[in-house]
Amino acid sequence: AQSVTQLGSHVSVSEGALVLLRCNYSSSVPPYLFWYVQYPNQGLQLLLKYTSAATLVKGINGFEAEFKKSETSFHLTKPSAHMSDAAEYFCAVSSYNTDKLIFGTGTRLQVFP
Amino acid sequence: SQTIHQWPATLVQPVGSPLSLECTVEGTSNPNLYWYRQAAGRGLQLLFYSVGIGQISSEVPQNLSASRPQDRQFILSSKKLLLSDSGFYLCAWSTSALGGYTFGSGTRLTVV
Repeated sequence: AQSVTQLGSHVSVSEGALVLLRCNYSSSVPPYLFWYVQYPNQGLQLLLKYTSAATLVKGINGFEAEFKKSETSFHLTKPSAHMSDAAEYFCAVSSYNTDKLIFGTGTRLQVFP
Repeated sequence: SQTIHQWPATLVQPVGSPLSLECTVEGTSNPNLYWYRQAAGRGLQLLFYSVGIGQISSEVPQNLSASRPQDRQFILSSKKLLLSDSGFYLCAWSTSALGGYTFGSGTRLTVV
């Protein structure tokens, strides 16, 4: 069985500060990992994904994530937060042998001026 | 290009009334289709998924049902809405585990 844990349901940062959203996964097979962003009253948009190629994945809007197998982690980072980054972020896991994505419970990012 | 349409965007319905939410996908064939619900302050709950016409799997027992009458059409229904059915409903599609999901823009349902 696969699962995802997102540590911290709320994260607050100042504009220009580093953004770090944490995601740990559990999977008995090599995972595919995803980060999605959701703005208020909108659907989820794919930020980036890891599918067993390069472990450092770059996505849209300046975000990136690093797959660390030894730590079973896939944390999302951005060097400098913008006000427009305020949203909810979801980590998700799947693998080659399933069509389903398992989502974390989400982290709400607030950015203060 | 591949797109997903979901409507309506918002809906206010009285308790006990029926529900029909529709989702259609364009630009792809034989997608896997999904219905999710987000209750206020909570994460994503998978309600139904479908791997083909007429094939529906239910993830949780509830007051809702789903149907897939055509390859790229997925409908979420209820005969009698409950207050607890309020939430944000999202449709999504995928064609492979590698691609992840593509989500619709969602329907905000308020049952009053």
